[in-house]
Amino acid sequence: DGGITQSPKYLFRKEGQNVTLSCEQNLNHDAMYWYRQDPGQGLRLIYYSQIVNDFQKGDIAEGYSVSREKKESFPLTVTSAQKNPTAFYLCASSTYRGHGAEAFFGQGTRLTVV
Amino acid sequence: ELKVEQNPLFLSMQEGKNYTIYCNYSTTSDRLYWYRQDPGKSLESLFVLLSNGAVKQEGRLMASLDTKARLSTLHITAAVHDLSATYFCAVDIEGTGGGADGLTFGKGTHLIIQP
Repeated sequence: DGGITQSPKYLFRKEGQNVTLSCEQNLNHDAMYWYRQDPGQGLRLIYYSQIVNDFQKGDIAEGYSVSREKKESFPLTVTSAQKNPTAFYLCASSTYRGHGAEAFFGQGTRLTVV
Repeated sequence: ELKVEQNPLFLSMQEGKNYTIYCNYSTTSDRLYWYRQDPGKSLESLFVLLSNGAVKQEGRLMASLDTKARLSTLHITAAVHDLSATYFCAVDIEGTGGGADGLTFGKGTHLIIQP
């Protein structure tokens, strides 16, 4: 079945540690996104990528990094520079705007700092 | 900077009643999306509204878009308990050079429907 797979579902990070969240899609979508959700809040855009080997900062990119080496994959690294990383992270993908840019979401990764 | 405001942020209602959730946004856009989120889960797409005057219905939910007023509504008819969830609207503004450059979300409306 086509869809977006995020892993792991739960992730624990120690202070000062980098961690990488995986996002894979088999929908043949060009655009991929990472959002962060804090309790009781909406989603905020971290990074997005419209095409392989290119990505753009969203509203809250500080302390995060991404890569887009393959169309299917858009991993997010939460670095030690991110001072408050505990949140629910959602990956999404969509076609280009001209063909309808409805975004489909993965099941999310819940990251906790211990 | 695009701002998206939903109201109410919290709504408790009884089964069988009707109610409307409002979504206002600050910048010209012709693309608005409604999503549902159950506790601890991801977002499920409900409606995609792509033009002024667009109206879409699915079961007890109906969404509409007025781009001139920069307003979308999500109307619930004869609510049932299964509709309890958090509902988000999201707006897609025109990016330069085409392509999808991400959505701006409202804070969500936490809806509880009581028997």
